Amino acid sequence: GAVVSQHPSWVICKSGTSVKIECRSLDFQATTMFWYRQFPKQSLMLMATSNEGSKATYEQGVEKDKFLINHASLTLSTLTVTSAHPEDSSFYICSARSGGARVNEQFFGPGTRLTVL
Amino acid sequence: AQSVTQLGSHVSVSEGALVLLRCNYSSSVPPYLFWYVQYPNQGLQLLLKYTTGATLVKGINGFEAEFKKSETSFHLTKPSAHMSDAAEYFCAVSPMIYNQGGKLIFGQGTELSVKP
Repeated sequence: GAVVSQHPSWVICKSGTSVKIECRSLDFQATTMFWYRQFPKQSLMLMATSNEGSKATYEQGVEKDKFLINHASLTLSTLTVTSAHPEDSSFYICSARSGGARVNEQFFGPGTRLTVL
Repeated sequence: AQSVTQLGSHVSVSEGALVLLRCNYSSSVPPYLFWYVQYPNQGLQLLLKYTTGATLVKGINGFEAEFKKSETSFHLTKPSAHMSDAAEYFCAVSPMIYNQGGKLIFGQGTELSVKP
């Protein structure tokens, strides 16, 4: 149980285009989803926290108009990188958290590798 | 505020040797503590976690960690390294207060290499 998927697993796009990444909790309802960014050989940096049906909370320094997050249902959150540029190339990882007894545990997706040419 | 420091960005051990990955944390409230493993181009897999109760926590793949409040440490150990243990390991802390959103604060990561 507690499986989180991401789609696509990798994407290459041209500079100036927008890219949407999906994060799904497959066998549980995720009250909260988190989006992280990871540069090579570095740790995960939290970008934003999204709760189903409400606006995402962005971490300091993360452009909310650049990284659009939608959490429309308890099993799906999307991250859209708008007008992507080469500096947006990174590994994006989502995680999902359920309520109840396991409220403190996050389950991570496999990540999406974004390369902007 | 919470923070995590992992001592040593890279640790190399021989197969069969003891694995010790160090993690110290800072937290103004009682913390939840986690160790995650990441294989190349993959997401994170939970190895073990400390919430409350027993301070010695056993996880998957033979790993364990001990919460030492007096030392603010949560070091990860495994008695005998296996080649398949080679990966990146992350220590993380989360405040033990639900309404703070359950955010995870990660350490910098430690890359574990296992020599044959």
